[in-house]
Amino acid sequence: GQSLEQPSEVTAVEGAIVQINCTYQTSGFYGLSWYQQHDGGAPTFLSYNGLDGLEETGRFSSFLSRSDSYGYLLLQELQMKDSASYFCAVRDRSGNTGKLIFGQGTTLQVKP
Amino acid sequence: EAGVAQSPRYKIIEKRQSVAFWCNPISGHATLYWYQQILGQGPKLLIQFQNNGVVDDSQLPKDRFSAERLKGVDSTLKIQPANLEESAVYLCASSLGLVSLIEQYFGPGTRLTVT
Repeated sequence: GQSLEQPSEVTAVEGAIVQINCTYQTSGFYGLSWYQQHDGGAPTFLSYNGLDGLEETGRFSSFLSRSDSYGYLLLQELQMKDSASYFCAVRDRSGNTGKLIFGQGTTLQVKP
Repeated sequence: EAGVAQSPRYKIIEKRQSVAFWCNPISGHATLYWYQQILGQGPKLLIQFQNNGVVDDSQLPKDRFSAERLKGVDSTLKIQPANLEESAVYLCASSLGLVSLIEQYFGPGTRLTVT
């Protein structure tokens, strides 16, 4: 089976950098994804790591280390609009469906 | 490009009543997913379709939940009857296909309240 752990809440100030960690236990997966969800909104895709290392997309970066069963999402130059929930998710390898299994989410609060 | 459409956006029912949700995925997307998201938790996959066939329904409570995607486009999810613990947001998502599952596109969801 798969299980993922994230911190439940993170608070940071505008303009700062914040890192949201995700540790996982898995019997096999294709890669690690990150999704953002504003309160009352739909989850939206942020990034995907199929290989170990860092992926950068604008102010957001994501990292994966399979040997450490660990990944993180890095948000730079925080803006008020970044206040949202962030979910890590693994693409399950079993059954060849590639289904996503989500963590419980991290609520990020950005303060002025 | 139009996004994933869902209706209704909100639904309030009494326990033991039945309810149905509708989803229209992004045009051309072969894979469609239904998720249940309970408040404070991540989305949990209920069922995954590839065109009009089911590829994963291992977490669908089949005694009361059913879903179909008859023509490989729109889909409906039904709960017959609903229990209190099924109060949640039901999210529909789609992706191009099994070989391109990196990004899933989510609809706005249906918020179900069972009283």
